[in-house]
Amino acid sequence: GAVVSQHPSRVICKSGTSVKIECRSLDFQATTMFWYRQFPKQSLMLMATSNEGSKATYEQGVEKDKFLINHASLTLSTLTVTSAHPEDSSFYICSASFGASTEAFFGQGTRLTVV
Amino acid sequence: AQSVSQHNHHVILSEAASLELGCNYSYGGTVNLFWYVQYPGQHLQLLLKYFSGDPLVKGIKGFEAEFIKSKFSFNLRKPSVQWSDTAEYFCAVSSSGGYQKVTFGTGTKLQVIP
Repeated sequence: GAVVSQHPSRVICKSGTSVKIECRSLDFQATTMFWYRQFPKQSLMLMATSNEGSKATYEQGVEKDKFLINHASLTLSTLTVTSAHPEDSSFYICSASFGASTEAFFGQGTRLTVV
Repeated sequence: AQSVSQHNHHVILSEAASLELGCNYSYGGTVNLFWYVQYPGQHLQLLLKYFSGDPLVKGIKGFEAEFIKSKFSFNLRKPSVQWSDTAEYFCAVSSSGGYQKVTFGTGTKLQVIP
């Protein structure tokens, strides 16, 4: 399958600071990328869907001003957690696909800890 | 809204035992169903999917799943597990077509003892 890489895999930041997570499709052009978060012992929850060159579509209850998503190229999407708080500590996972009807490939996830 | 329920959180089996992992979803309309697997230290990867047609779907590594619409179920099966099947398995559903807006279950950790 295709390769999707997330960076960093782990990050610790201070409360009030911002953190950027990158999601790259290494060997294909990802027109659509999805961002999920997973709390301990809970399922992956879709946060937003981004299409290259367009504004992201956020799921209900996800603050778009807090979780900034940029998908400026066909191989890179970024998620910026702004003014992070301890309750934002979670596991963030991206997936990427070449169109909504094709298989989405997952990154390895990013463990964010806000202290 | 769609939701997915996986009944088993942790399953321990001996090699060669048969496996069945339960998955139920709640959504009244047309759905696409998935099973994903995450091996230790690796990315989530697609094991099999059901979009339409034959409700018995065969995936990679000898896994299969059966979509039973009347029971809102999509259970995963394998007749004889191997130690290399040790992983976490996630059932997922999409009501929006394709791979959009996928909702995941909480996952089942499978441990296969040699």
